[in-house]
Amino acid sequence: EAQVTQNPRYLITVTGKKLTVTCSQNMNHEYMSWYRQDPGLGLRQIYYSMNVEVTDKGDVPEGYKVSRKEKRNFPLILESPSPNQTSLYFCASSSPAQPQHFGDGTRLSIL
Amino acid sequence: RKEVEQDPGPFNVPEGATVAFNCTYSNSASQSFFWYRQDCRKEPKLLMSVYSSGNEDGRFTAQLNRASQYISLLIRDSKLSDSATYLCVVLNAGNMLTFGGGTRLMVKP
Repeated sequence: EAQVTQNPRYLITVTGKKLTVTCSQNMNHEYMSWYRQDPGLGLRQIYYSMNVEVTDKGDVPEGYKVSRKEKRNFPLILESPSPNQTSLYFCASSSPAQPQHFGDGTRLSIL
Repeated sequence: RKEVEQDPGPFNVPEGATVAFNCTYSNSASQSFFWYRQDCRKEPKLLMSVYSSGNEDGRFTAQLNRASQYISLLIRDSKLSDSATYLCVVLNAGNMLTFGGGTRLMVKP
């Protein structure tokens, strides 16, 4: 089954404790992206990747890192999480100029 | 001004009603357009692409007006299961997707 898989689905952690949210897709898509969704602000792009070893900042990259060492994986790293990064996070992938497929979402709470 | 703007709603309609949502975008170079549907606390899912000539998928009709830079979605014969948030999405150069804030639809019995 074609899918985008995020882990974990839910995480409660504390300020400053490094965490990684993994994202994997099995559709051989070149393009992958991370979004956060907050009430009243909609979906905002954090980082995206056009292909392996190519990553770029989205609209709200501060406090996040990504890597794209393999085509299928695009982890999101929070080196020193803060409470303002409490949010619902979505990973997505697509072929170029095609609509994106989204993962199920990861709900992060930073205390 | 936001790059993609939608009326947040909510639109409260009875079952069987016809409802229309509009969306405006500011980047005249935008390349592709989509409507996504998002249920509460779930991931956005592609509802339909929007083509210049207009396109229909069952009870759903999407229109694009490039001159006025707006996109519309028409839902006929609303069902309870249509209750969701509808996201207008614009694809720009570099495969950048920009989302509208979403329009919430609530279909009542």
